[in-house]
Amino acid sequence: DGGITQSPKYLFRKEGQNVTLSCEQNLNHDAMYWYRQDPGQGLRLIYYSQIVNDFQKGDIAEGYSVSREKKESFPLTVTSAQKNPTAFYLCASSPRGDSFYGYTFGSGTRLTVV
Amino acid sequence: KNEVEQSPQNLTAQEGEFITINCSYSVGISALHWLQQHPGGGIVSLFMLSSGKKKHGRLIATINIQEKHSSLHITASHPRDSAVYICAVRRETSGSRLTFGEGTQLTVNP
Repeated sequence: DGGITQSPKYLFRKEGQNVTLSCEQNLNHDAMYWYRQDPGQGLRLIYYSQIVNDFQKGDIAEGYSVSREKKESFPLTVTSAQKNPTAFYLCASSPRGDSFYGYTFGSGTRLTVV
Repeated sequence: KNEVEQSPQNLTAQEGEFITINCSYSVGISALHWLQQHPGGGIVSLFMLSSGKKKHGRLIATINIQEKHSSLHITASHPRDSAVYICAVRRETSGSRLTFGEGTQLTVNP
């Protein structure tokens, strides 16, 4: 079955370390997104990519970096510059950047900085 | 003020009750999504609306574009409906990006 796979489900990181969250989709979707969720707040967009080798900053991109070398993969790196990285991270994809349909979410990665 | 506001924030119901969750938004949109998030965190898309009304099983979603308002109704609620329900809009000016409400935590007791 097609879908989005995020790994790992839980991740612990020491302060000052970079960490990379994986997002893979086999839906042949062009667009992919990374969102951050904090308790009591709506999801906020970190980065998005509408096509391979291209990506744009979202609303809260500071302290994060991404790459889109393959259509299927959109990894997110949380750098040591991110002041408050502990959060729940969700990856999503959609068929085209301007498409209404087929918005699909992964199961998320919960990152805790210790 | 958030561009997407949901009410109530928390809702507790008894099994069998009719449930309504509301979403108001303050921007022009091309579509509105209702999403369901279970305790594990994964999100499922329930509906995508640009006008009118959609029904799937016990779930009904309506949207009034002029009033910038949408509702999600659950008929004959069941404990398995317990989840966070999230309203998200696609702004006319932002392509496929979504702007999310804070969610409504629904608990249905047996």
